Amino acid sequence: GAGVSQSPSNKVTEKGKDVELRCDPISGHTALYWYRQRLGQGLEFLIYFQGNSAPDKSGLPSDRFSAERTGESVSTLTIQRTQQEDSAVYLCACWGGINTEAFFGQGTRLTVV
Amino acid sequence: DQQVKQNSPSLSVQEGRISILNCDYTNSMFDYFLWYKKYPAEGPTFLISISSIKDKNEDGRFTVFLNKSAKHLSLHIVPSQPGDSAVYFCAASDRDDKIIFGKGTRLHILP
Repeated sequence: GAGVSQSPSNKVTEKGKDVELRCDPISGHTALYWYRQRLGQGLEFLIYFQGNSAPDKSGLPSDRFSAERTGESVSTLTIQRTQQEDSAVYLCACWGGINTEAFFGQGTRLTVV
Repeated sequence: DQQVKQNSPSLSVQEGRISILNCDYTNSMFDYFLWYKKYPAEGPTFLISISSIKDKNEDGRFTVFLNKSAKHLSLHIVPSQPGDSAVYFCAASDRDDKIIFGKGTRLHILP
């Protein structure tokens, strides 16, 4: 596709359930990021994938959060045993490299009830 | 440790006046800087960028200034319009192929 696609666009889940968020990046963009933005707060880095290198997981808030990416394609962010504080917009971005811009998906709005 | 900092979480500016959004960075290896704009319910979109070899880049009402010695950049919007109300993110990239985003500044344009 022409841009970064995230699915679902909205997800409402019950506390304690697991959720999986998906990001389809732009073809050929080796770097992929996950961020989240809670209501009224700033952008919070979660995880970064670059090619075949080990991902930078330094932003993951707890061991309930995990993410995978196969090669330079789709990435999934999984949140296990969701809590109400996980409610946020989860944004995926991909980047083609130095001196280029990063492209964001439209985000997945997660609501944990 | 935040490498890209936007110290003002929000800013209110009268329509028609100049909006100045600020960003500070700590990593002297950053050599490319970007600004993004985000409306509610949408992903951030690229607005303007600047390379470290320049100190100014202008695109219509938007100008980005870079002060390398102070590790500071700013985005100027002149004149500010109601449609400029959004969250603005500053970002920086380095030679290690990583792009770092600030937490954002919410700009309110007042009528």
